[in-house]
Amino acid sequence: GEDVEQSLFLSVREGDSSVINCTYTDSSSTYLYWYKQEPGAGLQLLTYIFSNMDMKQDQRLTVLLNKKDKHLSLRIADTQTGDSAIYFCAEPDSSYKLIFGSGTRLLVRP
Amino acid sequence: DTAVSQTPKYLVTQMGNDKSIKCEQNLGHDTMYWYKQDSKKFLKIMFSYNNKELIINETVPNRFSPKSPDKAHLNLHINSLELGDSAVYFCASSQGGYNEQFFGPGTRLTVL
Repeated sequence: GEDVEQSLFLSVREGDSSVINCTYTDSSSTYLYWYKQEPGAGLQLLTYIFSNMDMKQDQRLTVLLNKKDKHLSLRIADTQTGDSAIYFCAEPDSSYKLIFGSGTRLLVRP
Repeated sequence: DTAVSQTPKYLVTQMGNDKSIKCEQNLGHDTMYWYKQDSKKFLKIMFSYNNKELIINETVPNRFSPKSPDKAHLNLHINSLELGDSAVYFCASSQGGYNEQFFGPGTRLTVL
């Protein structure tokens, strides 16, 4: 079945760039998603990328997709303390069910 | 004007009890979901309903019974609660397919 993997923890200094990585298994995924979960809150869709794209940029966010290696990354430029959260990548399976990674906890140090 | 709301936010109960969690969405979506997030933050889908009909039922004990009285509501009833049921339960809704899923704030269930 599908499996989505992420590193569990990332710590950066305020103002630096953060790069969160994800590997997935289903090469037929049409979309790949990044969700953000702030402490005590639900998940919120941050951005997504269509599988025929290599890169998508949205303000401080850059998503890179390497389909050959089934690798997805999220880069946050000029990381702020408000970016501290857990970031989940997710891919849908054939029944549109979202398979989530384990989440990467991003800590931004002042 | 909350999009997806859940009640209660916190639920503390004894083992063996029966409890319900309610979810409502005012987005006009056709599809609603229940997810379970464990203490390590792993998030896994439990159920999905489309137009009040069950379309996804993962390997969940039959002590968990979802009910959708209408498109805007999806409730989760849990019988004979066990310690391992302690988790945060999230409701979500979407227009189905690959459309964005909107999540509720979660219900933290603690079974003592």
